[in-house]
Amino acid sequence: IAGITQAPTSQILAAGRRMTLRCTQDMRHNAMYWYRQDLGLGLRLIHYSNTAGTTGKGEVPDGYSVSRANTDDFPLTLASAVPSQTSVYFCASRPGGQGHEQFFGPGTRLTVL
Amino acid sequence: SQQGEEDPQALSIQEGENATMNCSYKTSINNLQWYRQNSGRGLVHLILIRSNEREKHSGRLRVTLDTSKKSSSLLITASRAADTASYFCATDSSSYKLIFGSGTRLLVRP
Repeated sequence: IAGITQAPTSQILAAGRRMTLRCTQDMRHNAMYWYRQDLGLGLRLIHYSNTAGTTGKGEVPDGYSVSRANTDDFPLTLASAVPSQTSVYFCASRPGGQGHEQFFGPGTRLTVL
Repeated sequence: SQQGEEDPQALSIQEGENATMNCSYKTSINNLQWYRQNSGRGLVHLILIRSNEREKHSGRLRVTLDTSKKSSSLLITASRAADTASYFCATDSSSYKLIFGSGTRLLVRP
């Protein structure tokens, strides 16, 4: 089934630990995005990638890194997790740039203690 | 800061009534999109309206766009309990990034 998958579904993590959230899409979309969603703040863009091999910083990039080695995968890494990174993380993709809708994954609920 | 801001933050209506949500934004856009999110789920795209369009319909949804006022509205007619969700507007400019607002939580009471 075409779409976006995220793993894990949820995770509890000790502060200071390293964590990678996985995102895979099978729609051959060029652009991919990572958002975090916090109550009352909507979705905030962390990092994005317009095409394989390129990445860019979003609104709240500090403490996060991404890579885009191929079209399908866009992992998000927290090098040293902090409690303020407790959030729900959504991966999204779309065919190209502006003018297209975004398709969202089911989300990863991350708790940092 | 976020580009789009929805109003109201929360809305409670009776089934069968119409629901109107508004979105204001700050900078020029190429298009504006509306998304729906059911509790605990990812966002789902509802409708896209381009900057040269003033109104667009899709089923029970009607979206308007006023670029002079930098605002948009989403109207859901004849609401159903299943319409209960959060609704987000998102602006699409030349930066290849969608910027989302903080959303309107809609509750449709049976």
